[in-house]
Amino acid sequence: DGGITQSPKYLFRKEGQNVTLSCEQNLNHDAMYWYRQDPGQGLRLIYYSQIVNDFQKGDIAEGYSVSREKKESFPLTVTSAQKNPTAFYLCASSIRGGNNEQFFGPGTRLTVL
Amino acid sequence: AQSVAQPEDQVNVAEGNPLTVKCTYSVSGNPYLFWYVQYPNRGLQFLLKYITGDNLVKGSYGFEAEFNKSQTSFHLKKPSALVSDSALYFCAVSPYNTDKLIFGTGTRLQVFP
Repeated sequence: DGGITQSPKYLFRKEGQNVTLSCEQNLNHDAMYWYRQDPGQGLRLIYYSQIVNDFQKGDIAEGYSVSREKKESFPLTVTSAQKNPTAFYLCASSIRGGNNEQFFGPGTRLTVL
Repeated sequence: AQSVAQPEDQVNVAEGNPLTVKCTYSVSGNPYLFWYVQYPNRGLQFLLKYITGDNLVKGSYGFEAEFNKSQTSFHLKKPSALVSDSALYFCAVSPYNTDKLIFGTGTRLQVFP
């Protein structure tokens, strides 16, 4: 988990509310990623960013939004449009290039009440 | 469609015995292959990767993996399992010329004393 921080560790949200998950890295990595983890489904890519001020949708982007205003930060907003937001969210970063491993943060567990 | 399969939801092995966690993939071109480990309520930790060259790759904590191009497999192995190896293991593939990872659904390894 070294080098990437995610906050908060646990987050509770009422239905209809937007919530923002924080991800910060001090590894000087250009690329950053957001994944959603559900039991039995592995990790699914929500959004990724290869450089500041640019990002692309992943496989399950609907109901989520991101920004990349600084190299170190890649916050994820879970909007009220996300139908089933309860999950474990993981942020990662890497040097650009598919041959480089990704480094993961400790995760945020979001529960919708 | 590009995909990664981990056919076993759980693998049980006695401490001291060899272990194998299976992974097969389906991608076009020459992929980059990775193994990650996840402990409860934590982020993923990188174990090893195959980029090119020797088909047997050695990684962290005594783990190794064998790339088999003809069988499109990348099985994770360890000669002697430890109870502390008990965790969730993910295989992932990065298709050629992308920065994205495609994850398998994970295999839970349980090592019994």
